[in-house]
Amino acid sequence: QKEVEQNSGPLSVPEGAIASLNCTYSDRGSQSFFWYRQYSGKSPELIMSIYSNGDKEDGRFTAQLNKASQYVSLLIRDSQPSDSATYLCAVRGNYGQNFVFGPGTRLSVLP
Amino acid sequence: DAGITQSPRHKVTETGTPVTLRCHQTENHRYMYWYRQDPGHGLRLIHYSYGVKDTDKGEVSDGYSVSRSKTEDFLLTLESATSSQTSVYFCAFSEADREEYFGPGTRLTVT
Repeated sequence: QKEVEQNSGPLSVPEGAIASLNCTYSDRGSQSFFWYRQYSGKSPELIMSIYSNGDKEDGRFTAQLNKASQYVSLLIRDSQPSDSATYLCAVRGNYGQNFVFGPGTRLSVLP
Repeated sequence: DAGITQSPRHKVTETGTPVTLRCHQTENHRYMYWYRQDPGHGLRLIHYSYGVKDTDKGEVSDGYSVSRSKTEDFLLTLESATSSQTSVYFCAFSEADREEYFGPGTRLTVT
């Protein structure tokens, strides 16, 4: 059983701080990694994808991947109250295997 | 919603009745998916399709069937709805092993 784990939270950070969200996965053959944001009552929306070890930056968001440690993280700089949402980690294995989603981490950014 | 719609958006039905949910995409994507999302379980794959008339089971397929007679439409059918199928259902599309994009969701209540 392929598993993706995340701390369920809630993770609370003050406005302007860095929020750090973590995700671990069990399938060492996983090749593609994705972060989604989901507001309450809405559908998941893609924030970032990452395929290679290291960091990938997009605006205030940075995804970090370490395949040796089977670990992927998302950093949100200068957190805003509008970033308050549930963040889902998704992992895809080799050869286009289907996504496995983590349970999500609820982030609360306090004004 | 990235060219993908779902209908109906809300439905209340009685135990034992058949229910069909529709997913429609406008961008000719090959891969389509049906997920359900429940508290404590996250997003779980029900069925997926990799082309017209090509479908396969996901993690939680029991009690569900799908059909894809046209590229743009992917139907999910609950043959005889049960209370355990009360959930929020999301449809998604992707290109091969790339990102998945989600529809707005259908909230189904089985009484």
